[in-house]
Amino acid sequence: KQEVTQIPAALSVPEGENLVLNCSFTDSAIYNLQWFRQDPGKGLTSLLLIQSSQREQTSGRLNASLDKSSGRSTLYIAASQPGDSATYLCAVPAGGTSYGKLTFGQGTILTVHP
Amino acid sequence: NAGVMQNPRHLVRRRGQEARLRCSPMKGHSHVYWYRQLPEEGLKFMVYLQKENIIDESGMPKERFSAEFPKEGPSILRIQQVVRGDSAAYFCASSPPPTGAHGVAKNIQYFGAGTRLSVL
Repeated sequence: KQEVTQIPAALSVPEGENLVLNCSFTDSAIYNLQWFRQDPGKGLTSLLLIQSSQREQTSGRLNASLDKSSGRSTLYIAASQPGDSATYLCAVPAGGTSYGKLTFGQGTILTVHP
Repeated sequence: NAGVMQNPRHLVRRRGQEARLRCSPMKGHSHVYWYRQLPEEGLKFMVYLQKENIIDESGMPKERFSAEFPKEGPSILRIQQVVRGDSAAYFCASSPPPTGAHGVAKNIQYFGAGTRLSVL
């Protein structure tokens, strides 16, 4: 059974800092990994999807890396801003498939203060 | 292009009543997923549907919960005889059908804003 863990559970940083969020998964037979952002009382916004054949994926100030063999992914946020404050979730599809149900981590609650 | 639409956004029910949650997928998407987020817990998968078909319901509670995605109209998640423990945020996501070489797809799931169910 796939389990996804995110560390840290919460993170508070001053504006401008670069930061790293961590995600680990127990079953390395994944086709892809997705990072989401969830704002309070809102739905999820997909930030990045990284395929198993990729090692990195970038979008603006965000960079996600994937190391399948070690069961880890990191989300790097450069030059953080107060608007980045949200809960960040990583998720992987069920083992052996590229689609279907996602297993989510518990999330990292990020607060960026001015 | 409208995103995934869920309604109602907030739903209050008394114990024993029925709750119906609706989800309209993005245009062109024929796959719908329901997830539940209990207070202080992460998102948990409930059910995965195609039009007129349940693909995976491994996350659905055995009793009182059902889901459908008819040929016409939105997907419905139905909870009968609600109890306080059903209070949660229920999220729907949609995706296009799997495509690409060897059936590998990007599986980007687009989420709705959720329905927050409160059971009194």
